[in-house]
Amino acid sequence: EAQVTQNPRYLITVTGKKLTVTCSQNMNHEYMSWYRQDPGLGLRQIYYSMNVEATDKGDVPEGYKVSRKEKRNFPLILESPSPNQTSLYFCASSKLAGGQETQYFGPGTRLLVL
Amino acid sequence: RKEVEQDPGPFNVPEGATVAFNCTYSNSASQSFFWYRQDCRKEPKLLMSVYSSGNEDGRFTAQLNRASQYISLLIRDSKLSDSATYLCVVNLYTGANNLFFGTGTRLTVIP
Repeated sequence: EAQVTQNPRYLITVTGKKLTVTCSQNMNHEYMSWYRQDPGLGLRQIYYSMNVEATDKGDVPEGYKVSRKEKRNFPLILESPSPNQTSLYFCASSKLAGGQETQYFGPGTRLLVL
Repeated sequence: RKEVEQDPGPFNVPEGATVAFNCTYSNSASQSFFWYRQDCRKEPKLLMSVYSSGNEDGRFTAQLNRASQYISLLIRDSKLSDSATYLCVVNLYTGANNLFFGTGTRLTVIP
């Protein structure tokens, strides 16, 4: 089954404790991205990757890191989480960037930073 | 000013009703347009792309007006299963996907 998976799905942590949210897709997609969704603000892009070893900042990259060492994986790293990073996070992938490409989203990760 | 603006609703309509959502975008260089559907606590899923000539998929019709920079979605003969939040999405493609999401319009279809 074609899908994007994220782990963990739910996470409660404390300020300053490094965490990683994994994202994996099995569709051989080149383009992957991370979004956060907050009430009243919609989805906002954090980072994106055009292909292996090619990552770039989105609209709200502060406090986050990513890597793309393999085509299928695109982990999101919070080196020192803060309460304002409490949010719902989605990983997404598409075959290519641009055009009418469909974005396939993972199931989401709910993060609470105390 | 937000890149994409939608009426947040909620829209509460009876089964069988026709309902329309509008969305405006601010950047005239935007290149592609979509409607996504998001069920409560779930991930967004593509409902339909929006083409300049307008397009239809069953009970759903999408329209794009580039001159006025707005996008619409019409749902005919609403079903209970149409209850969800509908996200207007615009891609200002700049060499990479530069997707802007509206905050969504919430629809509840009532029996």
